[in-house]
Amino acid sequence: QVKLQQSGAELVKPGASVKLSCKTSGYTFSTSYMSWFKQIPGQSIEWIGMIYAGDGGTGYNQKFKGKATLTVDTSSSTAYMDLSSLTTEDSAVYFCARHPFAYWGQGTLVTVSS
Amino acid sequence: DIQMTQSPPSLSASLGDKVTITCQASQNINKYIAWYQQKPGKAPRLLIRYTSTLESGTPSRFSGSGSGRDYSFSISNVESEDIASYYCLQYVNLYTFGAGTKLELK
Repeated sequence: QVKLQQSGAELVKPGASVKLSCKTSGYTFSTSYMSWFKQIPGQSIEWIGMIYAGDGGTGYNQKFKGKATLTVDTSSSTAYMDLSSLTTEDSAVYFCARHPFAYWGQGTLVTVSS
Repeated sequence: DIQMTQSPPSLSASLGDKVTITCQASQNINKYIAWYQQKPGKAPRLLIRYTSTLESGTPSRFSGSGSGRDYSFSISNVESEDIASYYCLQYVNLYTFGAGTKLELK
């Protein structure tokens, strides 16, 4: 069965970067698309961007350009998202989801605090 | 960018009630709307795609309809397991979620 297993919660300092992972199984990762989403607790969900595992091609929500960088490792069927120059406004739960968004990871809580 | 205006922000229902949530897109989205259920601490669960197509495992008490800019999502005979937040998502042009509707028991 399809599974997306995300990395654990992160506590990071302002100005730092963090790399989140989404390890997949149960389907052909190398021909799939993956998107990442941000959800501040109690608020709605924002689409950050997407990546095609076949060639690493990406597309981003304009709001997150320069903030998020998406990559994949097809050898381990894992998708990654780097978040840079973190501020308190980046504190949120981040989800990965395989297109067309029927399968989601469990989410990773990122807390930015000094 | 396409905006999705979802209402109401919250709903209070009794078990067995029918409830309806609406989403209005800022432009025609050609039925490319999905509906999600999210429970606290969990990932969103896809219930309906392309306006009215139920995903496998979605109970038949859930339904969706609409066209153009205006869409609705209904739950007939609300059950206790339906207490959650619900979101619409347009996917005709990138991806935009509505603000969400929190369904509570009266």
